[in-house]
Amino acid sequence: AQSVTQLGSHVSVSEGALVLLRCNYSSSVPPYLFWYVQYPNQGLQLLLKYTTGATLVKGINGFEAEFKKSETSFHLTKPSAHMSDAAEYFCAVSVTWDSNYQLIWGAGTKLIIKP
Amino acid sequence: DGGITQSPKYLFRKEGQNVTLSCEQNLNHDAMYWYRQDPGQGLRLIYYSQIVNDFQKGDIAEGYSVSREKKESFPLTVTSAQKNPTAFYLCASRVAGGPGEQYFGPGTRLTVT
Repeated sequence: AQSVTQLGSHVSVSEGALVLLRCNYSSSVPPYLFWYVQYPNQGLQLLLKYTTGATLVKGINGFEAEFKKSETSFHLTKPSAHMSDAAEYFCAVSVTWDSNYQLIWGAGTKLIIKP
Repeated sequence: DGGITQSPKYLFRKEGQNVTLSCEQNLNHDAMYWYRQDPGQGLRLIYYSQIVNDFQKGDIAEGYSVSREKKESFPLTVTSAQKNPTAFYLCASRVAGGPGEQYFGPGTRLTVT
């Protein structure tokens, strides 16, 4: 069965430092992978997605993620953290059942930015 | 602007009452979803619908009901049978085909006392 693991329920970085949020997945077929961001009391917003092609994917707000098949990983990075990046981040993998796509979600990682 | 609307943003109910959460989309998406979010538990799927007049149970459907009479609308009823209904509820939709990304509404926070 497909699953998604996000390492660390909370990650704390200083403003200006590198952001690295980890996501590992298990999938029996080539996956479609997604990162979403959620600000407090709001819905989720798509940050970026990997479908096929280039393994380094660029998203909104300066985030990017790299699909590494050999490591079954899709880690999210940003070179320099801003205070506005404080939010919860969710990794998801797309799977098919009932002839349709569903998303399997990681538990989320709360990103804390220290001034 | 195309998007998903959920109303109300905050909802308060007494225990034992049914309550219906609204979800409307004007994205012309075929599939719609309801999720429940509790602190530290990520998103859990309640119900989903791939087409009008059809819907399927997700992982935690007990105590909930839905209808899909129109493509644009997918209301969720939290019944009195739901043992712990206080949570943040998110509605999402997805276009048919494609890799499966979902688009979310702003959520409804339900508090039952």
